[in-house]
Amino acid sequence: EDQVTQSPEALRLQEGESSSLNCSYTVSGLRGLFWYRQDPGKGPEFLFTLYSAGEEKEKERLKATLTKKESFLHITAPKPEDSATYLCAVRWDYKLSFGAGTTVTVRA
Amino acid sequence: KAGVTQTPRYLIKTRGQQVTLSCSPISGHRSVSWYQQTPGQGLQFLFEYFSETQRNKGNFPGRFSGRQFSNSRSEMNVSTLELGDSALYLCASSLDAQGYGYTFGSGTRLTVV
Repeated sequence: EDQVTQSPEALRLQEGESSSLNCSYTVSGLRGLFWYRQDPGKGPEFLFTLYSAGEEKEKERLKATLTKKESFLHITAPKPEDSATYLCAVRWDYKLSFGAGTTVTVRA
Repeated sequence: KAGVTQTPRYLIKTRGQQVTLSCSPISGHRSVSWYQQTPGQGLQFLFEYFSETQRNKGNFPGRFSGRQFSNSRSEMNVSTLELGDSALYLCASSLDAQGYGYTFGSGTRLTVV
């Protein structure tokens, strides 16, 4: 069954054009929602962990928020170096269940 | 501090052979988990170890196995390789405590021919 769904699959942005990525989940007993960034040929790079609805975390141009059933990753005024695949994962039963990811391309 | 180290980085094997991949976690991390990443299936959980005990296993055939040593280093083994086993195999380590994320290694790219 699908437990983590990310949308959109791909996002093409102009430099400076802010946008949001969505991650919805159906796991009960959530023990953390994680956001990762992955560049081609590399392992995922940890960005944020969120644990409870209403929680928000920020890092540079990225801001992650969490509700009871979904999380958003907001990219403010993106730069070309923000181009990557962004992965969302939920932790339960000693494992991470990942979404398929959103590939973000930022054009200069 | 040193990150998660996976060896080798690249591997080419023939169908039917077996392979062993290695993962050294961040110092002090006792939880090590393994994931398979393919373009079609994304990141799929293989197994997780904590203090040499397997706590969870994903939906993979018995050809996939793993273990963890007393120094927290971990290995995974795939026997009787199939073409579909070609993938990026990723290892992640964690403190396994509230507030801490999982740190991934760069992965081992396995190609089965």
